[in-house]
Amino acid sequence: DAGITQSPRHKVTETGTPVTLRCHQTENHRYMYWYRQDPGHGLRLIHYSYGVKDTDKGEVSDGYSVSRSKTEDFLLTLESATSSQTSVYFCAISRLAGGLSSYEQYFGPGTRLTVT
Amino acid sequence: GEDVEQSLFLSVREGDSSVINCTYTDSSSTYLYWYKQEPGAGLQLLTYIFSNMDMKQDQRLTVLLNKKDKHLSLRIADTQTGDSAIYFCAEGTGRRALTFGSGTRLQVQP
Repeated sequence: DAGITQSPRHKVTETGTPVTLRCHQTENHRYMYWYRQDPGHGLRLIHYSYGVKDTDKGEVSDGYSVSRSKTEDFLLTLESATSSQTSVYFCAISRLAGGLSSYEQYFGPGTRLTVT
Repeated sequence: GEDVEQSLFLSVREGDSSVINCTYTDSSSTYLYWYKQEPGAGLQLLTYIFSNMDMKQDQRLTVLLNKKDKHLSLRIADTQTGDSAIYFCAEGTGRRALTFGSGTRLQVQP
């Protein structure tokens, strides 16, 4: 599972409050991603990072920001949480499969966020 | 834009084969992936296929790729109750983020 942890695993927060979700990995991977999962939509990309201080927006980035000051940590911040951001958030890393030049993407256990 | 489509639901009897289908639109995709998600859990990488391959077999799993029709399938032989889960098809190129289908819920009846 590529040593990925996410914290918190569950959170309930009120509309308008800022929330930060943390993704931590222990294997020094450069490429990290934040996705959200909603019924009927599969997983959609929020932001991604190709290294320290190298981040970019994904498909559904409005209302979210990210930071990556260390290789091992990728933080996702909801600047002012809204009910539409109630979702399950997954962090992922991408790594080269040995000798195959193929990329494998592995996911953390997820954070279930409820905005009331 | 990129799009990945899957049927929503499949029900099979224990011991039968399951076939989950997926279509995609991005012809530049290098790899096509299958993930499994059990209730309350993250996504588990099951297998993937390089776009210049037609088939890949891994124990009970067989992946078939028809690149001309942009059609991907996952066959699970001798389906067990433990195979009940949501299966996601995804496409990607290199280190780029993946594009996912909305998932197929597989129900295995005893």
